[in-house]
Amino acid sequence: QKEVEQNSGPLSVPEGAIASLNCTYSDRVSQSFFWYRQYSGKSPELIMSIYSNGDKEDGRFTAQLNKASQYVSLLIRDSQPSDSATYLCAVLPMRGSTLGRLYFGRGTQLTVWP
Amino acid sequence: DVKVTQSSRYLVKRTGEKVFLECVQDMDHENMFWYRQDPGLGLRLIYFSYDVKMKEKGDIPEGYSVSREKKERFSLILESASTNQTSMYLCASSFIYNEQFFGPGTRLTVL
Repeated sequence: QKEVEQNSGPLSVPEGAIASLNCTYSDRVSQSFFWYRQYSGKSPELIMSIYSNGDKEDGRFTAQLNKASQYVSLLIRDSQPSDSATYLCAVLPMRGSTLGRLYFGRGTQLTVWP
Repeated sequence: DVKVTQSSRYLVKRTGEKVFLECVQDMDHENMFWYRQDPGLGLRLIYFSYDVKMKEKGDIPEGYSVSREKKERFSLILESASTNQTSMYLCASSFIYNEQFFGPGTRLTVL
């Protein structure tokens, strides 16, 4: 079983702060990692993908990957109330092993208060 | 933009009815997926398909079947709906070994 673990939260931060969301995974040979944002009552929306060790920045979002530690994180700088949502971590294992299915964590609920 | 559409946003059915949920994608994706999402349980994969007429069971296939006769369309079938199948159903599609894109979801209530 390929496991993806996230702190369920809720994580609560003030407006303007940095929100840090963490994810660990069990399959050492996983190759691709994704962060989805899901607003209440809506479907998940892809916001970041990362494939190699290090940081990847996109606007206020930074994804960090450490394959040796089997750890991926999402940082949201200058958090806004509109960032309040559940964030899902997803992992794609090695090619050829799962026909391309993703493994999702259960999500971390983030609240940004004004 | 990738577009994944689902046949209904809200659906109410009675116990024992046969229920069809349809999903269509317009990006020529090989893979299509059906999930259900329940509070506290996260996304759970029911079935997925990696090609026309090809399917694989996910983690919770019991009580469900699927059909993929055309590449762009993937149907989820509840042969005899039960109250424990009340849930949010999400369809997704992807190129093989790539990120998935989700449809808007169908909230199904079985009475």
